[in-house]
Amino acid sequence: GAGVSQSPRYKVAKRGQDVALRCDPISGHVSLFWYQQALGQGPEFLTYFQNEAQLDKSGLPSDRFFAERPEGSVSTLKIQRTQQEDSAVYLCASSLWRQETQYFGPGTRLLVL
Amino acid sequence: EDQVTQSPEALRLQEGESSSLNCSYTVSGLRGLFWYRQDPGKGPEFLFTLYSAGEEKEKERLKATLTKKESFLHITAPKPEDSATYLCAVQASNDYKLSFGAGTTVTVRA
Repeated sequence: GAGVSQSPRYKVAKRGQDVALRCDPISGHVSLFWYQQALGQGPEFLTYFQNEAQLDKSGLPSDRFFAERPEGSVSTLKIQRTQQEDSAVYLCASSLWRQETQYFGPGTRLLVL
Repeated sequence: EDQVTQSPEALRLQEGESSSLNCSYTVSGLRGLFWYRQDPGKGPEFLFTLYSAGEEKEKERLKATLTKKESFLHITAPKPEDSATYLCAVQASNDYKLSFGAGTTVTVRA
């Protein structure tokens, strides 16, 4: 079946611009995660959804980061007033339930100039 | 706070030269230890989950083992297509998020 998909795959933004990153999880997966991966590092947790409820946003680096999953399926990660330090790969993962295996999408590579 | 340390950072192997990657961890109650493979420009691809000390899992040329403090990923007779970054992650028993190490980048030369 189809895996996790993300769009766009690449995004170049000017500093101060708002961006929106989309994630389509595996159909039927209740849990959805966002991670941020800096160059040469492992992914770091940003936020967690169970269906449409955002149960954990402890990893969001600032209040410029906002995520939603209004219908319990597709999720959007929004970054307002982007800064150069926001440049990274943003990975989305989904799992059947909260502690099951997480399957990752290809990521969105964000470059802020 | 959960911590995961992977070594070495990079590993260059000749085709057929077996080796091991190490993942040391500290976690407040381990629910699972996960190995992923990541190719350049792609997302992590799931390989194995290990749940308890002494457990072993195999897939083709890869074998993962687990102790109470570390996990090893053994690559037997590697081929160039095994070249990738291998990521280790832990999930605590009372948590859902994964805590990752920085990865080991393996390059296999023909």
